[in-house]
Amino acid sequence: SQQGEEDPQALSIQEGENATMNCSYKTSINNLQWYRQNSGRGLVHLILIRSNEREKHSGRLRVTLDTSKKSSSLLITASRAADTASYFCATGGSNYKLTFGKGTLLTVNP
Amino acid sequence: GAVVSQHPSWVICKSGTSVKIECRSLDFQATTMFWYRQFPKQSLMLMATSNEGSKATYEQGVEKDKFLINHASLTLSTLTVTSAHPEDSSFYICSARDRERGAETQYFGPGTRLLVL
Repeated sequence: SQQGEEDPQALSIQEGENATMNCSYKTSINNLQWYRQNSGRGLVHLILIRSNEREKHSGRLRVTLDTSKKSSSLLITASRAADTASYFCATGGSNYKLTFGKGTLLTVNP
Repeated sequence: GAVVSQHPSWVICKSGTSVKIECRSLDFQATTMFWYRQFPKQSLMLMATSNEGSKATYEQGVEKDKFLINHASLTLSTLTVTSAHPEDSSFYICSARDRERGAETQYFGPGTRLLVL
């Protein structure tokens, strides 16, 4: 079953703008991860945040986690056309399985 | 590092035939590999978890006799879609956990697109 629910389902912005995607989940987690998928390709791991962490940065990416609200956000700053892709959150449990959300399709217009 | 390959990248077959998809970890040993299926414009659905040297664990609703998984070594897992039908057409993606790095991150292959006519 799908644990994570991303919103928005689709997001279109101009190059240089920031993009924020949200993810909500239902059960307890060990960690939450964000992945990117270019059309018709495999997934690229972006960032992992553990359940005892509240915020994490990696380059132009900023991820927050609020376990009380069971939600996470991914912020991409100063977006580029190359950031155009689908972004998925995935929750990780104790058995190392990942449960993926439905994804957000981000389009960055040049 | 942490590269996962899949072969073939795409395959077209006739209904009733079997198709084998390979997933290899190229530069690390994978304790566990996972197989996912993704329909167009949808998310990834976990099909099964494959541990080297033991039987795969299938998710609810996934037919183990239809989707045969073999994890013969720490760098290779195979998924065989037996007697494929058009409804099996999908994008199949594998991932692997790095034994040395331990933990939670999975490294994904580029996927295999299967079209059953």
